[in-house]
Amino acid sequence: QSVLTQPPSTSGTPGQRVTIFCSGTRSNIGSSTVEWYQQFPGTAPKLLIYSNYQRPSGVPDRFSGSKSGTSASLAISGLQSEDEADYYCAAWDDSLNGWVFGGGTKLTVL
Amino acid sequence: QLQLQESGPGLVKPSETLSLTCSVSGGSISNTKYYWGWIRQPPGKGLEWIGNIYYSGSPYYNPSLKSRVTISVDTSKNQFSLKLTSVTAADTAVYYCARLFGVTAADNWGQGTLVTVSS
Repeated sequence: QSVLTQPPSTSGTPGQRVTIFCSGTRSNIGSSTVEWYQQFPGTAPKLLIYSNYQRPSGVPDRFSGSKSGTSASLAISGLQSEDEADYYCAAWDDSLNGWVFGGGTKLTVL
Repeated sequence: QLQLQESGPGLVKPSETLSLTCSVSGGSISNTKYYWGWIRQPPGKGLEWIGNIYYSGSPYYNPSLKSRVTISVDTSKNQFSLKLTSVTAADTAVYYCARLFGVTAADNWGQGTLVTVSS
């Protein structure tokens, strides 16, 4: 059972916009910044979004992040087949005094 | 180009100690802007944070693993290490090392190394 809650799967068609939600509590998302990671099978995760909505250099602006209260979301616009991957949200938890992750969402591009 | 590389045994017996090293190249582990961390991923499952350390020391650990984990840094070798004692099958996972700016933004990862706990 992960501290942050994500849907296990979602899907979309090429060109569509999809949103992945991440639910937490006041002790994590509610009091910390949120990061999002993208992971392809057999590879290491890649930082996609940091500080709630910032994109590292090289990440397309099709990816955007937001946070409101104790929830965060990752939006992918203009969905492409190469976006098919697992996506994880993460945040610091003040109560647990640790870095916590969501369980991951598998994105399928139909 | 910063690179991180995990190394260590791929098979550890139950009750023994798992030891991994992360070698950093293309940048200094003493850079004051960054933390260095370990994250693991059991086969087919999600990510779990193990712990972070700053170049000067002062590690902090996942509370659920704290009694068994030691993370240390060797600035002379530009590497940091993980020790996990009294391992069980539940510790079987791909272990990643990573560079972090801020506490939870890991912008560079090693390729990961699979450690299997089995007799």
